[in-house]
Amino acid sequence: EAQVTQNPRYLITVTGKKLTVTCSQNMNHEYMSWYRQDPGLGLRQIYYSMNVEVTDKGDVPEGYKVSRKEKRNFPLILESPSPNQTSLYFCASSFLPAGANVLTFGAGSRLTVL
Amino acid sequence: AQSVTQLDSHVSVSEGTPVLLRCNYSSSYSPSLFWYVQHPNKGLQLLLKYTSAATLVKGINGFEAEFKKSETSFHLTKPSAHMSDAAEYFCVVSDLKGEGTSYDKVIFGPGTSLSVIP
Repeated sequence: EAQVTQNPRYLITVTGKKLTVTCSQNMNHEYMSWYRQDPGLGLRQIYYSMNVEVTDKGDVPEGYKVSRKEKRNFPLILESPSPNQTSLYFCASSFLPAGANVLTFGAGSRLTVL
Repeated sequence: AQSVTQLDSHVSVSEGTPVLLRCNYSSSYSPSLFWYVQHPNKGLQLLLKYTSAATLVKGINGFEAEFKKSETSFHLTKPSAHMSDAAEYFCVVSDLKGEGTSYDKVIFGPGTSLSVIP
């Protein structure tokens, strides 16, 4: 089954404790992206990648890092989480160009930072 | 630059009555437009997309949307609401800048929450 898999789905952590949210897709998509969803703000893009070793900042990249060492994986790293990073996170992928193709989304990862 | 406005943050309809979710956009080029749906505790799923073919686009579950360039609108409609339609709906715009651009920024609207009353 074609899908985007995110882990963990739920996580509660404390300020400053490094964490990684994994994202993996099995559709051979070039494009992958991370979004955060907050009430009333829709989805805001954190980082995106157009292919292996090609990543770029989205609209809200502060406090996050990403890497794209393999085509299928695009982990999101929070080096020192803060409470304002409490949010619902989605990973998505598509063929290029991203604007003309359908995004396939993961089920979401709900993160709480205390 | 692109932007998306969803005119209603919340819409409530009775089961069996029509649904109208409004979306206006701004775009400098030829836009691609999408509607995605998010059911509670789920990821987002494509409802329909417009990419400069027919202006009336049919999607899944009886939804459709009409692209009106003169009004810069892409409103989502359904003739008869079902309880299972209760969800969050996102209008999405992206500019296609032409050959040589492999990535086009994708902008999400803030979402409209649809409630369906039995």
